[in-house]
Amino acid sequence: KQEVTQIPAALSVPEGENLVLNCSFTDSAIYNLQWFRQDPGKGLTSLLLIQSSQREQTSGRLNASLDKSSGRSTLYIAASQPGDSATYLCALKDSSYKLIFGSGTRLLVRP
Amino acid sequence: EAQVTQNPRYLITVTGKKLTVTCSQNMNHEYMSWYRQDPGLGLRQIYYSMNVEVTDKGDVPEGYKVSRKEKRNFPLILESPSPNQTSLYFCASSQPGQKYYEQYFGPGTRLTVT
Repeated sequence: KQEVTQIPAALSVPEGENLVLNCSFTDSAIYNLQWFRQDPGKGLTSLLLIQSSQREQTSGRLNASLDKSSGRSTLYIAASQPGDSATYLCALKDSSYKLIFGSGTRLLVRP
Repeated sequence: EAQVTQNPRYLITVTGKKLTVTCSQNMNHEYMSWYRQDPGLGLRQIYYSMNVEVTDKGDVPEGYKVSRKEKRNFPLILESPSPNQTSLYFCASSQPGQKYYEQYFGPGTRLTVT
């Protein structure tokens, strides 16, 4: 059974710092992996999607990588800002019709 | 604007009183699903639908019903809500073969059952 783990559960950094969020999974047979942002009380905003055949995707200050052989994905945030404070979720799609979510990393960027 | 909408956004109800949470998408997506989010348990899929009149159970379907009579709508029905169904609910949609199944989520419905 596929399991998705995100470490750390919470992270606090000063503004301007570059940071990496981690996502690990137990079964490398995935179709894609998506990173989401969730603000308190709000819905999920898709940040990046990496197809299983890809190694990374970039959008602005965000870069997501995927290493299926090691069962890992990372989300790199450059020059963090207070507005980046949110919970970040990774979710992967396998051959079934659902996303399997990690429990998230709660990020606080201090001014 | 492409979006998934849910109503109501907040709902407080009592045990046993039937309720429906609506979900609608304007992207002509074939695939729709419902998730619930609980502290410590993350998001778990309740039901999904591959197309009109095609629905199937997810990981936690007990106590829920769904229907898909139109492509754009996918309501979640709680026939007899119980306190353990207090949760944050999300509807999602995607189109097979489009943008690698990227899923779009609604804003969420916070349900409290007393």
